[in-house]
Amino acid sequence: NAGVTQTPKFRILKIGQSMTLQCAQDMNHNYMYWYRQDPGMGLKLIYYSVGAGITDKGEVPNGYNVSRSTTEDFPLRLELAAPSQTSVYFCASSPGTSQPQHFGDGTRLSIL
Amino acid sequence: AQTVTQSQPEMSVQEAETVTLSCTYDTSENNYYLFWYKQPPSRQMILVIRQEAYKQQNATENRFSVNFQKAAKSFSLKISDSQLGDTAMYFCAFDRVDSGYALNFGKGTSLLVTP
Repeated sequence: NAGVTQTPKFRILKIGQSMTLQCAQDMNHNYMYWYRQDPGMGLKLIYYSVGAGITDKGEVPNGYNVSRSTTEDFPLRLELAAPSQTSVYFCASSPGTSQPQHFGDGTRLSIL
Repeated sequence: AQTVTQSQPEMSVQEAETVTLSCTYDTSENNYYLFWYKQPPSRQMILVIRQEAYKQQNATENRFSVNFQKAAKSFSLKISDSQLGDTAMYFCAFDRVDSGYALNFGKGTSLLVTP
């Protein structure tokens, strides 16, 4: 099983550029999440989704957008990249309430 | 505010010894789940153990066990017979009902297991 797949694994962007971080899961999980992890910190929630067509903001949503058109995919869009968005981004999925989350391997993003 | 505090930024333990990582949290929820995740240098997030807040019995998973004190909002992780492969960052977290059961993480404890 592939589990949660994130692409790309690494990316360098220039200030002001845009990009989409891809996340796909093959476990038919309804719940999906995007977190960011800054150096020396725990993960912080950016956006989450409880099912196809339903998304909501987390703790640090500014500068990001998401969509959830299918159960499998939950892309994260960065518009007008800023240095403060340099971080490691994790996508996760869960089958239901309070169930353990399955994480992707992360995307390391640098904005220069 | 709902927060998680891990007061030990770094810890070290010798192989085969026992180590305890501390965690306190603050939540207004009555029913919730607590988690410990491990993040080795490979950067993967790996579930170590999970505790249901309404269960008094402490969770155990092989060499890993927790000491859950609900009234004190304390959730420590004990690692017995430490192995070199236990070297990693360890994150304590609880799930938030108001955010689709997303996880609220502490800043982590870096554990080094030495030979």
